[in-house]
Amino acid sequence: DGGITQSPKYLFRKEGQNVTLSCEQNLNHDAMYWYRQDPGQGLRLIYYSQIVNDFQKGDIAEGYSVSREKKESFPLTVTSAQKNPTAFYLCASSIHGTVSQETQYFGPGTRLLVL
Amino acid sequence: AQTVTQSQPEMSVQEAETVTLSCTYDTSENNYYLFWYKQPPSRQMILVIRQEAYKQQNATENRFSVNFQKAAKSFSLKISDSQLGDTAMYFCAFTVQGAQKLVFGQGTRLTINP
Repeated sequence: DGGITQSPKYLFRKEGQNVTLSCEQNLNHDAMYWYRQDPGQGLRLIYYSQIVNDFQKGDIAEGYSVSREKKESFPLTVTSAQKNPTAFYLCASSIHGTVSQETQYFGPGTRLLVL
Repeated sequence: AQTVTQSQPEMSVQEAETVTLSCTYDTSENNYYLFWYKQPPSRQMILVIRQEAYKQQNATENRFSVNFQKAAKSFSLKISDSQLGDTAMYFCAFTVQGAQKLVFGQGTRLTINP
């Protein structure tokens, strides 16, 4: 089955700790995205990547980092600089990254909680 | 900057009724695209319907249709013959030609009651 997988489903972070959220897709899509979802605020773009070894900041990139070493993988690291990381994180992909022309496919999400 | 506003945080209707979800947006662009996404309790986002601003005809997908009013910058979603499986958060989203991102509204939580 083709799709996007995210792991873990739940993640707990201690103060000052960096944590990494996994996102893998087997759709052969070029573009991948990370969104943060907070209650009452909809989805906000953290980072996106249209090609391997290249990525761009979204609207709320501070306190986050990403890498894109492989086409199918786009991990997100929540660093200790992110002071309010509790949220639901969604990964998405699309064929080439032309958002207006393509459907974005979403993963099942990871809920991050701070201990 | 483009913004998307969904003014109804929650809605509730009986099964088989018709329901309309509201969305307004603000942009100075002329060539743009609008979307409705559904997020069921499983939390996985699914594209429901898409509308190109240059098309006057409203998009339809089975029981889902939109009322696109370009001058009013309004993009409402109508769900006909609502089903229990339509219970979900619904997000309106916007992008312009050539952009690499979607701008989402705050969402409307829709509950279909048996």
